[in-house]
Amino acid sequence: DAKTTQPTSMDCAEGRAANLPCNHSTISGNEYVYWYRQIHSQGPQYIIHGLKNNETNEMASLIITEDRKSSTLILPHATLRDTAVYYCIVRTPTDSWGKLQFGAGTQVVVTP
Amino acid sequence: NAGVMQNPRHLVRRRGQEARLRCSPMKGHSHVYWYRQLPEEGLKFMVYLQKENIIDESGMPKERFSAEFPKEGPSILRIQQVVRGDSAAYFCASSPTAIKANYGYTFGSGTRLTVV
Repeated sequence: DAKTTQPTSMDCAEGRAANLPCNHSTISGNEYVYWYRQIHSQGPQYIIHGLKNNETNEMASLIITEDRKSSTLILPHATLRDTAVYYCIVRTPTDSWGKLQFGAGTQVVVTP
Repeated sequence: NAGVMQNPRHLVRRRGQEARLRCSPMKGHSHVYWYRQLPEEGLKFMVYLQKENIIDESGMPKERFSAEFPKEGPSILRIQQVVRGDSAAYFCASSPTAIKANYGYTFGSGTRLTVV
């Protein structure tokens, strides 16, 4: 199984871009990178996912390196409500649908 | 369009009692997934169900835990003879029948089970 490595925690100033790194050096060619977040006491929230190309939606951007061994989630203008644990997940195609392997994630604290 | 609904939000049970957690998927969704989050730990997959079928129960504890998703009504996660170690937050997610190969799952707000 591909595994991910994320920093334990990081701080970000409100209004600034938050860049969350994730290493997945053993990722296979057909495995997608997913990002979810969990705000305290709430259920996980899907953010974005990608395979090779960079992706952008209304919440964030996902930058995947050309060798696919790492990626960065970018929150363009962090707000206090973005304080959460952010999970980078590599989904193994052989896993059944819905089987996501959450790690410890990165605790992001956005400060005023 | 309501999201994934879980109830109750909080459940307190004494050791030895049974706990029943309910999950109503999003409208039109027929696949349900249960996860457990123990205190200070990450989310762990438990079981994947389709209507009237268990597809993958590789994350379910071998004893006391069961899950069902009947033709009508919500999915139920049942824990018999609860112990203090069962205290956790239980989340479910759902997806539609005709699912794309990769999909961003919507999770419910969870049920916090406390065993006293």
